Amino acid sequence: AQTVTQSQPEMSVQEAETVTLSCTYDTSESDYYLFWYKQPPSRQMILVIRQEAYKQQNATENRFSVNFQKAAKSFSLKISDSQLGDAAMYFCAYSSGGSNYKLTFGKGTLLTVNP
Amino acid sequence: KAGVTQTPRYLIKTRGQQVTLSCSPISGHRSVSWYQQTPGQGLQFLFEYFSETQRNKGNFPGRFSGRQFSNSRSEMNVSTLELGDSALYLCASSFRGGGANEQFFGPGTRLTVL
Repeated sequence: AQTVTQSQPEMSVQEAETVTLSCTYDTSESDYYLFWYKQPPSRQMILVIRQEAYKQQNATENRFSVNFQKAAKSFSLKISDSQLGDAAMYFCAYSSGGSNYKLTFGKGTLLTVNP
Repeated sequence: KAGVTQTPRYLIKTRGQQVTLSCSPISGHRSVSWYQQTPGQGLQFLFEYFSETQRNKGNFPGRFSGRQFSNSRSEMNVSTLELGDSALYLCASSFRGGGANEQFFGPGTRLTVL
């Protein structure tokens, strides 16, 4: 079974600075997808960024980028120029590329942004 | 386009009762997944439906069941409620399901079992 581990329960960053959230995963599959989801205090989960395992190029979405190290099974999220609105719980998630239609989530990292 | 809606948003039940939660996916989406979120266990997958068929199920007891209707709306039912069933129940919809399709989450239903 696949597992996702987020080793940082809490992180904090100063506004306008950069922060990196860590995620490692365990799988024997070769076809899979990795995600970072954001869950603000209002509770609506929002997709931040997605990475296909077969793509070597790291995904980027504006101020959000990932460092995908396939061999090390590591998938970290970098948030640049942090904003107050980035404060949220961040979940790393895994999905198989086959017929296993589910997301496996890590425990989450609570990010605080200090003004 | 309207987002994923879940009703009710809050629910209080007592042990032994049963409860039904509803999820309306984004128009055109045929896959609906359900997740349970608790402080202790985090986010856990319950089941996924596509075109009225359950394609995948998580490791939950048989008290947890679901179904999907022809308009893709989905319901989940929990019978004989236990205190440990208190949680935020999230549903997510996507066009076809799977990692290749982005899942959009609803706001959740907060269930409290007394």
